[in-house]
Amino acid sequence: QKEVEQDPGPLSVPEGAIVSLNCTYSNSAFQYFMWYRQYSRKGPELLMYTYSSGNKEDGRFTAQVDKSSKYISLFIRDSQPSDSATYLCAMSAGGNNRLAFGKGNQVVVIP
Amino acid sequence: GAVVSQHPSRVICKSGTSVKIECRSLDFQATTMFWYRQFPKQSLMLMATSNEGSKATYEQGVEKDKFLINHASLTLSTLTVTSAHPEDSSFYICSAKPPNTEAFFGQGTRLTVV
Repeated sequence: QKEVEQDPGPLSVPEGAIVSLNCTYSNSAFQYFMWYRQYSRKGPELLMYTYSSGNKEDGRFTAQVDKSSKYISLFIRDSQPSDSATYLCAMSAGGNNRLAFGKGNQVVVIP
Repeated sequence: GAVVSQHPSRVICKSGTSVKIECRSLDFQATTMFWYRQFPKQSLMLMATSNEGSKATYEQGVEKDKFLINHASLTLSTLTVTSAHPEDSSFYICSAKPPNTEAFFGQGTRLTVV
């Protein structure tokens, strides 16, 4: 079993729809959970950062972490064409431990 | 958030030559930096962990002598691709991670070996 599982998609949605992305993981030591957005030929940029279980909201973005189920989600409300990108989940156990990444979800928002 | 600067953003080199890529943390000190490689439509593949003042830790299957990593200061790590071949053409990304916070990524370097 891979450390982090993320269905690579791709996912196409109409503008204004809610985008729902998720990852599952197997390592119970993971404490820090992140979602990155990556545009083509660019480095990943941090979207959301969550420590332990719970929800976090930032504008149109909501991140959820359920450590009991080893499941994290990212929701994008009122999706825009500019949200079209690849979304990567990542997690770590903390300290200087390396990040474990999902494969990435390619999202296309159709005007 | 913190800023990680990676240079160059794009480089084309001839087969057999060496290429150096720099990664700088601009507003924080990073005792650890990470180097990734990314193929088209694939996720990031960790190549090595760069530790300031000591040898880098390479992932299984990554050639140490081909991908030389130097982390000479708390704000700079370099990756040198030696004797580059066309199959080394890829997107290379560095990241730096202050302890117990999120990781920040450089802009990436697209290497093309001709």
